[in-house]
Amino acid sequence: DAGVIQSPRHEVTEMGQEVTLRCKPISGHNSLFWYRQTMMRGLELLIYFNNNVPIDDSGMPEDRFSAKMPNASFSTLKIQPSEPRDSAVYFCASSLITGTPLHFGNGTRLTVT
Amino acid sequence: AQTVTQSQPEMSVQEAETVTLSCTYDTSESDYYLFWYKQPPSRQMILVIRQEAYKQQNATENRFSVNFQKAAKSFSLKISDSQLGDAAMYFCAYRSEGETSGSRLTFGEGTQLTVNP
Repeated sequence: DAGVIQSPRHEVTEMGQEVTLRCKPISGHNSLFWYRQTMMRGLELLIYFNNNVPIDDSGMPEDRFSAKMPNASFSTLKIQPSEPRDSAVYFCASSLITGTPLHFGNGTRLTVT
Repeated sequence: AQTVTQSQPEMSVQEAETVTLSCTYDTSESDYYLFWYKQPPSRQMILVIRQEAYKQQNATENRFSVNFQKAAKSFSLKISDSQLGDAAMYFCAYRSEGETSGSRLTFGEGTQLTVNP
């Protein structure tokens, strides 16, 4: 089992550019989560999907952020346009069913200059 | 909404000694799960231990054990025989089973553990 795979591991971009983060969940898991981690705000849930359907996107900061899950094996988090305050580590996680632990990817460190 | 509180931003322990990290949570639900995750400098999020709220017995995983007090809504982590590799940020987390909350995982603020040789 390869675990949750995120790409890229690091991303440096200029303000105003579009950023796309990618995630491949563990095969067979039916819940997928996007978290953001910053020193100031800790770990924040941005959005999560059950069976590829967005369930709760109330954590998405604003309209510049969007997430999709076109199939059970792939999800993207897009920021357009990016701003310096979006700089953070973005984690993707997946789980089998409610109550089971979340398995996290290694995260993407995003730096927006 | 559920909240998780870790009141100790930093803790330190001598190698081979025992340390306890505190966690409290607030919920009106009766069915839920609690977890401790470890995040070393590599930034990986590693599951340390889990506890089902319906189980009275405290979970144990090798040197790691919990003290789960459901009535007090307390969930502390005890690390015995601390090792240098235990140094990390530790997060307490809550996962609901309720339909209104879905299956989100809510984290505490974290406790940075230092292990001194």
